[in-house]
Amino acid sequence: NAGVTQTPKFQVLKTGQSMTLQCAQDMNHNSMYWYRQDPGMGLRLIYYSASEGTTDKGEVPNGYNVSRLNKREFSLRLESAAPSQTSVYFCASSKTKNTEAFFGQGTRLTVV
Amino acid sequence: GQQLNQSPQSMFIQEGEDVSMNCTSSSIFNTWLWYKQDPGEGPVLLIALYKAGELTSNGRLTAQFGITRKDSFLNISASIPSDVGIYFCAGQKPGTASKLTFGTGTRLQVTL
Repeated sequence: NAGVTQTPKFQVLKTGQSMTLQCAQDMNHNSMYWYRQDPGMGLRLIYYSASEGTTDKGEVPNGYNVSRLNKREFSLRLESAAPSQTSVYFCASSKTKNTEAFFGQGTRLTVV
Repeated sequence: GQQLNQSPQSMFIQEGEDVSMNCTSSSIFNTWLWYKQDPGEGPVLLIALYKAGELTSNGRLTAQFGITRKDSFLNISASIPSDVGIYFCAGQKPGTASKLTFGTGTRLQVTL
């Protein structure tokens, strides 16, 4: 049982480049989330998907888009990367929208 | 966006000592969660609390949902070196299904 799997684990982008972070969960969870973690800031919610077919903005959505491809997969896209998007990105999932979230191992993204 | 006030920010303790940390907010929360994060890993759920006044244990860890619903506490008894890491509280406010607000973390270091 892999839980929540994120790819890639590390990525370096040049300013203006685009990329998609992939996330998949095998726990049959309904809700999925994308967070970013910056030093001293804890985790901040970027986007979430309460159930398959729905997505909503979180606290810091600017510069990002998401796709809930199916129940298992939730991707995060940076259309034009900026240095301010240098961060560690975590995907999480929960059984329903009101239960505890389980996290992936993170993607460390550097934008130069 | 609001983040929870978590204290202390960091602590150095000796192996065998007990540890206490807390999380406070000006808002009411329906759910409190405590996570631990090891370097290079995603947060791992330790304890979930769903009811004001609830006291829940997980091995040497005990957490409480404050009676005012605006705070939560985590205690670790008889600390060991593998307790080293960053501990995050997270809360879910009424009417904000799917959205967790995270604290800024307490970095725990244990010396022999």
